[in-house]
Amino acid sequence: QSVLTQPPSVSAAPGQKVTISCSGSSSNIGRNYVSWYQQFPGTAPKLLIYDNDRRPSGTPDRFSVSKSGTSATLGITGLQTGDEADYYCGTWDNSLSVMLFGGGTKLTVL
Amino acid sequence: QVQLVQSGSALQKPGASVKLSCKASGYTFTNYAINWLRQAPGQGLEWMGWIHTSTWNPTYAQGFTGRFVFSLDSSVSTAYLQISSLQADDTAVYYCAREDYECSSGICDLDYWGQGTLVTVSS
Repeated sequence: QSVLTQPPSVSAAPGQKVTISCSGSSSNIGRNYVSWYQQFPGTAPKLLIYDNDRRPSGTPDRFSVSKSGTSATLGITGLQTGDEADYYCGTWDNSLSVMLFGGGTKLTVL
Repeated sequence: QVQLVQSGSALQKPGASVKLSCKASGYTFTNYAINWLRQAPGQGLEWMGWIHTSTWNPTYAQGFTGRFVFSLDSSVSTAYLQISSLQADDTAVYYCAREDYECSSGICDLDYWGQGTLVTVSS
């Protein structure tokens, strides 16, 4: 069981909006920056969002993040079938001195 | 462009050892740490630790001490992960990923990843 908690799956129709939550604690999300990774089946994860809410070049502005206290939420607007993937949040944990990941959320675009 | 290219899949018997490679290009190798991560079949990502590419100092996450060794060959910008006494539950895809030495200050972004190496442990 992951220290960072994500819903196992979310789904929405094309063009709609979906959110993926990531819940942690004061020793990880509460103190540190959160990054988000997108992973398509059979491929390596790709950095989607870093430093809480910054997008690398190549990440569309349909992807955004909000953070409050010990939780962060990835939002995706204007859903496309190409967004179907697994999404992971990640952050450093000061107490454990490790990088933690959520268990991952499978996004289905119906 | 930045690339991390990992070695090919490996099929090993229980008790054997395996050494995986991760060759970096497109950037100054010593300016970024190399992190290692594991993803068991159908499971999530698990951080194994990292190695400082200037000091060669490795840091291992709990659960990855003893049988796991990170090493480098800076002359060819390559990081290695050696796993000894392989067990069935070591079957996984192993990834290397780059990070700019900020994790301990709370900014832990893995900005480039290798394509992964599948290690299968089976008799």
